[in-house]
Amino acid sequence: EIVMTQSPATLSVSPGERATLSCRASQSVSSNLAWYQQKPGQAPRLLIFHASTRATGIPARFSGSGSGTEFTLTISSLQSEDFALYYCQQYSNWPLLAFGPGTKVDIK
Amino acid sequence: QVQLVQSGAEVVKPGASVKVSCKASGYTFTGYYLHWVRQAPGEGLEWMGWIDPNSGGTNSAQKFQGWVTMTRDTSTNTASLELNRLRSDDTAVYYCARDVDRGSFYFDYWGQGTLVTVSS
Repeated sequence: EIVMTQSPATLSVSPGERATLSCRASQSVSSNLAWYQQKPGQAPRLLIFHASTRATGIPARFSGSGSGTEFTLTISSLQSEDFALYYCQQYSNWPLLAFGPGTKVDIK
Repeated sequence: QVQLVQSGAEVVKPGASVKVSCKASGYTFTGYYLHWVRQAPGEGLEWMGWIDPNSGGTNSAQKFQGWVTMTRDTSTNTASLELNRLRSDDTAVYYCARDVDRGSFYFDYWGQGTLVTVSS
């Protein structure tokens, strides 16, 4: 079983600043990693897949990097609508899929 | 446009069963796996399993085997999740989510979620 961890649990950032979120897998998932954004009362939204490919309609300020066990989601200049929860998900060990516990990005 | 519309909130007693449905539209239902993901109040996302609407084949995380059943009806483009022998810690929002194709195992469209509350 692959276990996903995310850090930090909460990230306080001012609007316009850069946010860097980390995701770690307990064993290599190659580039089989996705990132989702979730706002209160809403379903998650796919941001990034294959570790670094933006999903359709996702702004360029969102970028993903990494491979193997270490991954990063970067939001280059935080907008008000970006304050939310962010989850990573591995899909390497299918059919057993797993999400990380999430990082909350809130306003500093 | 792709839509996944789920059934409404449910309140059930411990030990009871409930069925949550997910009606798909705007795409070929049998062309994409459908997954179920749950989220307990204030908690993170937990993947439960998937169904291949084409064959009806399923696969689920071990903790859900034996008490969760995933089915589909291709005549109505609807997938269903039946939860049996419910406990209070099964209280959660249950989401259906579409796989980006037949087995990529990440999700591009989500239903709005169905809150299942297990309480006596």
